[in-house]
Amino acid sequence: GEDVEQSLFLSVREGDSSVINCTYTDSSSTYLYWYKQEPGAGLQLLTYIFSNMDMKQDQRLTVLLNKKDKHLSLRIADTQTGDSAIYFCAESRDGGFKTIFGAGTRLFVKA
Amino acid sequence: NAGVTQTPKFRVLKTGQSMTLLCAQDMNHEYMYWYRQDPGMGLRLIHYSVGEGTTAKGEVPDGYNVSRLKKQNFLLGLESAAPSQTSVYFCASSQLDRVYNEQFFGPGTRLTVL
Repeated sequence: GEDVEQSLFLSVREGDSSVINCTYTDSSSTYLYWYKQEPGAGLQLLTYIFSNMDMKQDQRLTVLLNKKDKHLSLRIADTQTGDSAIYFCAESRDGGFKTIFGAGTRLFVKA
Repeated sequence: NAGVTQTPKFRVLKTGQSMTLLCAQDMNHEYMYWYRQDPGMGLRLIHYSVGEGTTAKGEVPDGYNVSRLKKQNFLLGLESAAPSQTSVYFCASSQLDRVYNEQFFGPGTRLTVL
């Protein structure tokens, strides 16, 4: 996962917005993903963005993609305690069937 | 549908012992993966399979072997466990749709090697 970089921790207050940032390396990646891992569980796909898009919005989630800088971000509006989890950024490689994961950002939400 | 299941959930081994982790999926997916998750390092790919009877090495394959004799099962073997293999192991499966590849993960196996 060293080719996909993200900060390890983020702490926010309930009701605030959370922004999790990620940088990736492969400019040919066609899809970029955000996975969520809740305590004691496996990863689950949260959202994704196709490389020809700059932004994708899905309810409280906004994904921004800057291909020039190879920068991806995930914004969670009105963050709730139930959003506390580890969020993994991931990029597709080798025609799509390989996925490279970042180290994960642990989001703490304070009540 | 059960999705992706893994057995066992927890295991403690002594150095040099062997064990097999079993992954099963009921989604008829072609692709299956084994990852290990270590603190601060995210997920690292150990081995993967693009179909029944095929396997390939990932990023960290040393000390592990795999087999995919049936499409729905992917086995990960440790022949002689070492403390460095203490980790949480995740299995995943997917069905590649052109280049879109959502992976479905099992709940993980926590392995401790003493």
